Amino acid sequence: AQSVTQLGSHVSVSEGALVLLRCNYSSSVPPYLFWYVQYPNQGLQLLLKYTTGATLVKGINGFEAEFKKSETSFHLTKPSAHMSDAAEYFCAVSDVGANDYKLSFGAGTTVTVRA
Amino acid sequence: GAGVSQSPSNKVTEKGKDVELRCDPISGHTALYWYRQRLGQGLEFLIYFQGNSAPDKSGLPSDRFSAERTGESVSTLTIQRTQQEDSAVYLCASSLGGRTYEQYFGPGTRLTVT
Repeated sequence: AQSVTQLGSHVSVSEGALVLLRCNYSSSVPPYLFWYVQYPNQGLQLLLKYTTGATLVKGINGFEAEFKKSETSFHLTKPSAHMSDAAEYFCAVSDVGANDYKLSFGAGTTVTVRA
Repeated sequence: GAGVSQSPSNKVTEKGKDVELRCDPISGHTALYWYRQRLGQGLEFLIYFQGNSAPDKSGLPSDRFSAERTGESVSTLTIQRTQQEDSAVYLCASSLGGRTYEQYFGPGTRLTVT
């Protein structure tokens, strides 16, 4: 199984400031990469995913992420935080090959947004 | 349209009792997954269904855990003789197929074993 590391269990940003959430994975072969968001008492919602092609991926709610193979990273950014971005964010990575349905998740990063 | 639903939303049970957790996937989704989310941790993969067969049960923690699925519909996760370490949120997801298709998650069942 993949190992997924999210740096920082909690991130606090001011409204309007840059949001940067870091994710690194262990595979030497590029897997499929995902960012999910979880609002309180709700299921996970897909923000964006990378499978093939362009390494800069745009998602919902103004988020984007860049796949960097050399750094085995898939960091999530949003230029300007909004109060509604307060949630928990999970990076997920698929296995490679025939088992690529299997996702491994990071421990999550909780984002708080200060007014 | 309707998303993935799970029931119950919360379950409190005594140690040693059996529990059944239910998942209703999105209609037409052939793939279904169960995950466990312990407090402060990411999701752990438990089992994957394609139709009503489970080609990957590798994440089930012990033989106390089992799951079944009826056709391409409802799935139940059963935990026998519950232990305190089973306390977690159990999440179900479904997708159009396996592999690169997006997994849609339900809201989860919070299980507390006392």
